[in-house]
Amino acid sequence: QEQLVESGGGLVKPGGSLRLSCAASGFTFKDYYMSWIRQAPGKGLEWFSYISGAATTTYYADSVKGRFTISRDNAKNSLFLQMNSLGVEDTAVYYCARNLRLMAGNPPYYYFYYMDVWGKGTTVTVSS
Amino acid sequence: VLTQSPVTLSLSPGDRATLSCRASQSVGDYLGWYQQKPGQAPRLLIFDASKRAAGVPARFSGSGSGTDFTLTISSLEPEDFAVYFCQQRGDWPPYTFGQGTKLEI
Repeated sequence: QEQLVESGGGLVKPGGSLRLSCAASGFTFKDYYMSWIRQAPGKGLEWFSYISGAATTTYYADSVKGRFTISRDNAKNSLFLQMNSLGVEDTAVYYCARNLRLMAGNPPYYYFYYMDVWGKGTTVTVSS
Repeated sequence: VLTQSPVTLSLSPGDRATLSCRASQSVGDYLGWYQQKPGQAPRLLIFDASKRAAGVPARFSGSGSGTDFTLTISSLEPEDFAVYFCQQRGDWPPYTFGQGTKLEI
């Protein structure tokens, strides 16, 4: 069964740091792009980062660029998010998600535009 | 930018639900729909505008292309009352979500 389990959330003061982890199981982790998405209390979903299967490509939304770093360890089937310089606006539930692998074109290529497996989320609260 | 309408939709079990998502510029067919219940992670329902994800009941269908998309639930079951988000593959940022439509009883 494909599963993602996040950990590492908690209460941190403004300006502080946290490192989130996401343990994957039930699928070939290295074959998939992975994303982090967050949801502030009572708000919608915000994608903010992804990483390619081989970790050669990463993207960040402007809201976290320069403060957050996504990484992965394919040998340990794990995804990570290092969060620095946290502000109250970073308070949210943080989800890791697998990007659905789809094929198109001739010659065929893969694309990873949607998130099809999600963890239950871990809560990050930034408050003094 | 993705704009969903209505913000809230009040219907009864057995009704047909029609949810709308409009993109500020064309996204081709690269549009997905997600369902989120309280306290749970989102669940992918539809990808590429009209393709059902694995395990999604046939009462869920998606349509549209370019800038205007629709999620239709043909006959509402009690478990379908939730919040629905659309998501686009855009230029930058690569992925954005709409603000959501709450489907309530």
